[in-house]
Amino acid sequence: AQTVTQSQPEMSVQEAETVTLSCTYDTSESNYYLFWYKQPPSRQMILVIRQEAYKQQNATENRFSVNFQKAAKSFSLKISDSQLGDTAMYFCAYNAGNNRKLIWGLGTSLAVNP
Amino acid sequence: EAQVTQNPRYLITVTGKKLTVTCSQNMNHEYMSWYRQDPGLGLRQIYYSMNVEVTDKGDVPEGYKVSRKEKRNFPLILESPSPNQTSLYFCASSFWGYYGYTFGSGTRLTVV
Repeated sequence: AQTVTQSQPEMSVQEAETVTLSCTYDTSESNYYLFWYKQPPSRQMILVIRQEAYKQQNATENRFSVNFQKAAKSFSLKISDSQLGDTAMYFCAYNAGNNRKLIWGLGTSLAVNP
Repeated sequence: EAQVTQNPRYLITVTGKKLTVTCSQNMNHEYMSWYRQDPGLGLRQIYYSMNVEVTDKGDVPEGYKVSRKEKRNFPLILESPSPNQTSLYFCASSFWGYYGYTFGSGTRLTVV
C-alpha cells in the first residue's frame, strides 16, 4: 500500500532563516506525483509545490524548493527566508500516475518566530 | 476568479437530520473529490468523481452519498448524520489529478 510519512510533527524557525520539512513515501509505482500543501490557521488548503517523479530536476517556487530523492523515496520541502506568514501546517501528499486520490501525510506544524 | 466554492462553512446539526454540503467549481475540472480531516488521522478521501455521472468510493464512504449531475457541482449528502461524522470537510477539484487539487474553504460540521 502507498503511504506517506512526515516524521516531524512540529518544527519552529526564526524569521528569515531556512527550514527543511521531511517527507518519505512508499510506492511501487514508477510514475507518480508529489505535492506539498500548506494549511494556515484559516484552514484553507493551499498547493505550495508539485514534483513529477520522472523529472530529475527539483521543483522550485520562489522561496520554496524541494529535494526529491527518488531512490530513497524522500521528498523534503525547504523554505528559505522564512516569513511569519509561513506559519501553518504543511502536508506532503502523493498521487499515483493511475490513481484518483491524494494520499496524505499527517502533517508538520511549522511556527515561524519573530 | 478560479475557485471551489463550498457551503456552508460552519454547520451544527442534530443526529439523524439529513444535510447537504454543496460544492461548486468554475474551472471546468473533470475530477472532484471529498475529504474529511480529523486530528491524528489526517485527510481521508470519502468519494471522488472522474466526470459527470461517474463517482466512486474513497477510503471512508460509509454514511455519505454524492452525485455528479453537472460537471461543476459535487454535493455531499449525509442522510442520517451521526456524531462520528463531526469533522472538517473539504471539497477539491482538478483538471487532472496529476496537477494537484484546488480546495474549497472547508466545512466545519458538528453533529450533536
